Amino acid sequence: AQTVTQSQPEMSVQEAETVTLSCTYDTSESDYYLFWYKQPPSRQMILVIRQEAYKQQNATENRFSVNFQKAAKSFSLKISDSQLGDAAMYFCAWAYGQNFVFGPGTRLSVLP
Amino acid sequence: DTAVSQTPKYLVTQMGNDKSIKCEQNLGHDTMYWYKQDSKKFLKIMFSYNNKELIINETVPNRFSPKSPDKAHLNLHINSLELGDSAVYFCASSQSRISGRAGETQYFGPGTRLLVL
Repeated sequence: AQTVTQSQPEMSVQEAETVTLSCTYDTSESDYYLFWYKQPPSRQMILVIRQEAYKQQNATENRFSVNFQKAAKSFSLKISDSQLGDAAMYFCAWAYGQNFVFGPGTRLSVLP
Repeated sequence: DTAVSQTPKYLVTQMGNDKSIKCEQNLGHDTMYWYKQDSKKFLKIMFSYNNKELIINETVPNRFSPKSPDKAHLNLHINSLELGDSAVYFCASSQSRISGRAGETQYFGPGTRLLVL
């Protein structure tokens, strides 16, 4: 069975600093997708970034970038120039077809 | 023009009651899902429907019955509610077909917070 692990239940970062959230996964598939979702206190699940496993280039969305290491099955999220609005739960997810598996989440606090 | 909408946003009810949560997506997607997020924020898939057909049915009590009248709607009916059913339930949709691309992005509704007393 596919599993997704986020080893950091909580993280904090100073405003304007950079933080990296870890994610590892286990799968026997070779062509899959990885996602980071953000869930602020409003509860809404918001897509942050998406990575296709067959692409070697790391995905980037403005201040958000990933470090995708396929052989190591690692998919970390880097947030640069952290802002107060980045405070949220962050979920890493693995997907293949209709199968979506979420990690347990990392709660990120941003300190002013 | 919300992409994925759920009603109600909050639902407080007594143990033993039957309740439904409605979900609608206006994205033209083929696949819809129900997730349960427990008090520890763990998000787990419950059901997946593709074009009104049940695809994924994880181990959930048969008190939970999804119903898809058309591919834009996936409702969740819960019979004989129990205290442990208290959670936030999320509906989501994605474009993928069964034989389509792997891992299409899922778009989530705002969630329904269910509290069973």
